[in-house]
Amino acid sequence: AQKVTQAQTEISVVEKEDVTLDCVYETRDTTYYLFWYKQPPSGELVFLIRRNSFDEQNEISGRYSWNFQKSTSSFNFTITASQVVDSAVYFCALWTNFGNEKLTFGTGTRLTIIP
Amino acid sequence: NAGVTQTPKFRILKIGQSMTLQCTQDMNHNYMYWYRQDPGMGLKLIYYSVGAGITDKGEVPNGYNVSRSTTEDFPLRLELAAPSQTSVYFCASIRTGRSYGYTFGSGTRLTVV
Repeated sequence: AQKVTQAQTEISVVEKEDVTLDCVYETRDTTYYLFWYKQPPSGELVFLIRRNSFDEQNEISGRYSWNFQKSTSSFNFTITASQVVDSAVYFCALWTNFGNEKLTFGTGTRLTIIP
Repeated sequence: NAGVTQTPKFRILKIGQSMTLQCTQDMNHNYMYWYRQDPGMGLKLIYYSVGAGITDKGEVPNGYNVSRSTTEDFPLRLELAAPSQTSVYFCASIRTGRSYGYTFGSGTRLTVV
């Protein structure tokens, strides 16, 4: 069975600090994809990144970076120099062949950036 | 190209009432999904469809029904609303084999009182 664990329920940091959101996943499949979504206070789900299981390169996009480590089954997300607009709930999700093309979500991490 | 459109955005139901949440996509995606998001929780799959005429249950199907008569539409039916169905409902779609991020609708916030 697929499982995604986001152990951090809520995080608060002061603006301009760096923050890392943790994501640990479980799957028996060798081919899978990992995602991060942002859910701002307005409620919509915003796609941030997809990473496949064969590509362990870290990814950087502006102030966002992602660290994928298969050895620890983790796909952590770091925001550098956080801004108030980063305040949101962030979800990590897993897609596998066994899941019949269904995303399994973690319970989310609520990030609050304090001005 | 509107993506995934959900209606209504908000609804209050009384216990025992019925309603249909509408979901339409114009991207010719064959896979469509219904998720619910309870307060402070992640998303749980209710039902999904791999194409017109084919539907299957997800994690939490009880109390819901779906149909998929066309590629574009995937309505979710609540027959006898219960307070436990108070939630935000998201519809999503994806093309087969294109495993990059679902396209989500903007959600329907449902309250059952």
